Amino acid sequence: GQQVMQIPQYQHVQEGEDFTTYCNSSTTLSNIQWYKQRPGGHPVFLIQLVKSGEVKKQKRLTFQFGEAKKNSSLHITATQTTDVGTYFCAGRNSGGGADGLTFGKGTHLIIQP
Amino acid sequence: ETGVTQTPRHLVMGMTNKKSLKCEQHLGHNAMYWYKQSAKKPLELMFVYNFKEQTENNSVPSRFSPECPNSSHLFLHLHTLQPEDSALYLCASSQERYPNTEAFFGQGTRLTVV
Repeated sequence: GQQVMQIPQYQHVQEGEDFTTYCNSSTTLSNIQWYKQRPGGHPVFLIQLVKSGEVKKQKRLTFQFGEAKKNSSLHITATQTTDVGTYFCAGRNSGGGADGLTFGKGTHLIIQP
Repeated sequence: ETGVTQTPRHLVMGMTNKKSLKCEQHLGHNAMYWYKQSAKKPLELMFVYNFKEQTENNSVPSRFSPECPNSSHLFLHLHTLQPEDSALYLCASSQERYPNTEAFFGQGTRLTVV
């Protein structure tokens, strides 16, 4: 079945440093979504990428979808303490099958002030 | 508040108990989902319902029994669970089950099986 791998599992950064998490799928995706889960909270949708090579920005966050639609990245510039949490990528297989999203294990972002 | 409400927030149950988790969404969505979130595993999709019909069951043991009486409500009935079933159970909904929609998650039920 479809697998979505995410690295790194944990990332410690100093406040103000940049952060990047990477997502790779074993199959071609129809789209990829990114979610953020604060400690003790629930996943909250951030963005969806659909087109090959697509790049989207939300303030300090930059999302990319690979040309082959099998990988994606999230980059945060100049992290702030409010960025703490776990960032998940989630994808749907373009070959059909499951309607639910397949999630990566997530990257836990820990920020040291 | 995401528009998806789960009750209870916390549940402790014995292995011989029967309990139910409830999810309600006020977003007018057509699709609802149950996910399991364990400490060292990714979010695992358990069940998918679209227009009250179950469209997916990801090889979930029969001790978990979903019920979707209408498009706004989703239940997860639990019986004879095992300690390894302890996890955060998340309900989510989306506008439709096709690819280009975001999922709205409830706050989850933290389940402990003793």
